[in-house]
Amino acid sequence: DAGVTQSPTHLIKTRGQQVTLRCSPKSGHDTVSWYQQALGQGPQFIFQYYEEEERQRGNFPDRFSGHQFPNYSSELNVNALLLGDSALYLCASSFSLQATGADTQYFGPGTRLTVL
Amino acid sequence: AQRVTQPEKLLSVFKGAPVELKCNYSYSGSPELFWYVQYSRQRLQLLLRHISRESIKGFTADLNKGETSFHLKKPFAQEEDSAMYYCALSGRDNAGNMLTFGGGTRLMVKP
Repeated sequence: DAGVTQSPTHLIKTRGQQVTLRCSPKSGHDTVSWYQQALGQGPQFIFQYYEEEERQRGNFPDRFSGHQFPNYSSELNVNALLLGDSALYLCASSFSLQATGADTQYFGPGTRLTVL
Repeated sequence: AQRVTQPEKLLSVFKGAPVELKCNYSYSGSPELFWYVQYSRQRLQLLLRHISRESIKGFTADLNKGETSFHLKKPFAQEEDSAMYYCALSGRDNAGNMLTFGGGTRLMVKP
């Protein structure tokens, strides 16, 4: 099992463009979370997907949207890119034994997004 | 609202010295606390979680609800412990299990 995988590894975009990042969860996991990590800071929660629906959302604008597919993989879309969106975007997967509860999240290597 | 604070950005110790990485949290409900570690050029990985009460790589952490703290400790630091350490909180009362991270502490263990 390769664990959580993310693509692409690096991405360079210009202001105003749109970007799509992809994530494949660890085998057996059904929940995907996305985090933004700015340089020198801890990861910040963007949103979480479970059963193809957004289950939880952090304090991020509507420019940030996502999707989960039937095979549990996920995409993060960011529209109208700003310079401040430059960051490492982390995907994490977990297995929801029940509707609530904290289950260990396993992280991918991240996608480094640079907005010029 | 959930909040995690790691007051030290950098902690530098000599090999064999004791280590304590501080973590304080704010949460009105019943929290679950984690320590994640990121070694150089590796992904973020779970070090330990408070409900497991395990000792991983010699590290331990005790949840102190009175002081709202979850400090990470190791009696004798090793050079391979050099890494970024993040304290994280998940609220058991949430519909999901989002993690709120602290800003991280870089631990440097000098030979």
